[in-house]
Amino acid sequence: GENVEQHPSTLSVQEGDSAVIKCTYSDSASNYFPWYKQELGKGPQLIIDIRSNVGEKKDQRIAVTLNKTAKHFSLHITETQPEDSAVYFCAASMRQGGSEKLVFGKGTKLTVNP
Amino acid sequence: GAVVSQHPSWVICKSGTSVKIECRSLDFQATTMFWYRQFPKQSLMLMATSNEGSKATYEQGVEKDKFLINHASLTLSTLTVTSAHPEDSSFYICSARSPRVKLDTQYFGPGTRLTVL
Repeated sequence: GENVEQHPSTLSVQEGDSAVIKCTYSDSASNYFPWYKQELGKGPQLIIDIRSNVGEKKDQRIAVTLNKTAKHFSLHITETQPEDSAVYFCAASMRQGGSEKLVFGKGTKLTVNP
Repeated sequence: GAVVSQHPSWVICKSGTSVKIECRSLDFQATTMFWYRQFPKQSLMLMATSNEGSKATYEQGVEKDKFLINHASLTLSTLTVTSAHPEDSSFYICSARSPRVKLDTQYFGPGTRLTVL
């Protein structure tokens, strides 16, 4: 089955710096890769996603890149702000038994210091 | 758009009792709903997948008789934790998906904190 590895587990940056979180996946059939932001005590919120037919996608300060050959994808946050502090999860789609589900990485706790 | 709600947001119950958690898609019809549990500082663990009108598909290791899932309509799924024990204490999160909203994308609810005494 699919396995998603996420690094680093914790990341601390200064306000205004960039943050990069990387994920690798094992199933070459995966074709959908979302990123979620989870604040303490809340449900995950979709922040950006990318499909396998695209190599890069950008939405304001957030961008995601995908390298299908190497089976890895990354989240880039530029000009970080304290409100970006949260746990970020990457995920990869996996088809099993006729249904599609998401396999999540273990998460990265991002702290943006003012 | 694509808002998912859960009720209750938190619940405390005694060991041996049953607890029902509701998950609703407020502004779209969800063809598929998912139930996850999350322990502190850990990732989301998929418990089961449910499609409207059919039986839920449980992940390996999840007891279907303990975690009863009902997906009676395109906007409502319920998870009932039966005979709850302290080890069932966790953060339960549902998500909903509809190809008419966005293919493959799961929209998550705010979660339900269950504490079993």
